[in-house]
Amino acid sequence: EVQLVESGGGLVQPGGSLRLSCAASGFALSNYAMNWVRQAPGKGLEWISYISSGGTTMYYADSVKGRFSISRDNAKNSLYLQMNSLRDEDTAVYFCVGGVHPVVGWGQGTLVTVSS
Amino acid sequence: EIVLTQSPGTLSLSPGERATLSCRASQSVNSNFLAWYQQKPGQSPRFLIYGASIRAAGTPDRFSGSGSGTDFTLTISRLEPEDFAVYYCQHYGNSPPWTFGQGTKVEIK
Repeated sequence: EVQLVESGGGLVQPGGSLRLSCAASGFALSNYAMNWVRQAPGKGLEWISYISSGGTTMYYADSVKGRFSISRDNAKNSLYLQMNSLRDEDTAVYFCVGGVHPVVGWGQGTLVTVSS
Repeated sequence: EIVLTQSPGTLSLSPGERATLSCRASQSVNSNFLAWYQQKPGQSPRFLIYGASIRAAGTPDRFSGSGSGTDFTLTISRLEPEDFAVYYCQHYGNSPPWTFGQGTKVEIK
């Protein structure tokens, strides 16, 4: 069974940093591209970043470009999102998503709250 | 950036009725790389359809996707009680950002 488990969320002040992790099991992460998607409280879904299976190609939404960095460690079956210069509007549940065409699974999400 | 507009915002229907949800793109979606998701309160989204019309593993056959280019539709042939939820479309493929539509809520009438 595919499982994706995010961790690393929490409360952070504006301007601060957090690193999210996503641990994959039940499938070989190295065979799949991965994404991060977020959802602000009471709002819709927002795609924010993509990384290819080998880690050589990354894409970002304009809203996070230059502040967030996606990476992966296939040997550890893990995906990461380094978030710097956090803003109030980055408050959301962050989901890791395995695969693209098709998607193989979503994590349960980790809540990031940016507030002073 | 491709903007996806979903309509209607809310669909009020009874169990057993047919639901038709629309997703319109501001420009043509490459290779029909269009997906549909279902989300219930407090849960992660559930992947339903990809490639505009291909049911994901485990998606009941009462869900069907259709369309191409800029106009896409998700149809639920006969609503079951567990189908009342919010549905999102998303494009993906060669042209990031891979935006989502704003969602359509299917509620019990």
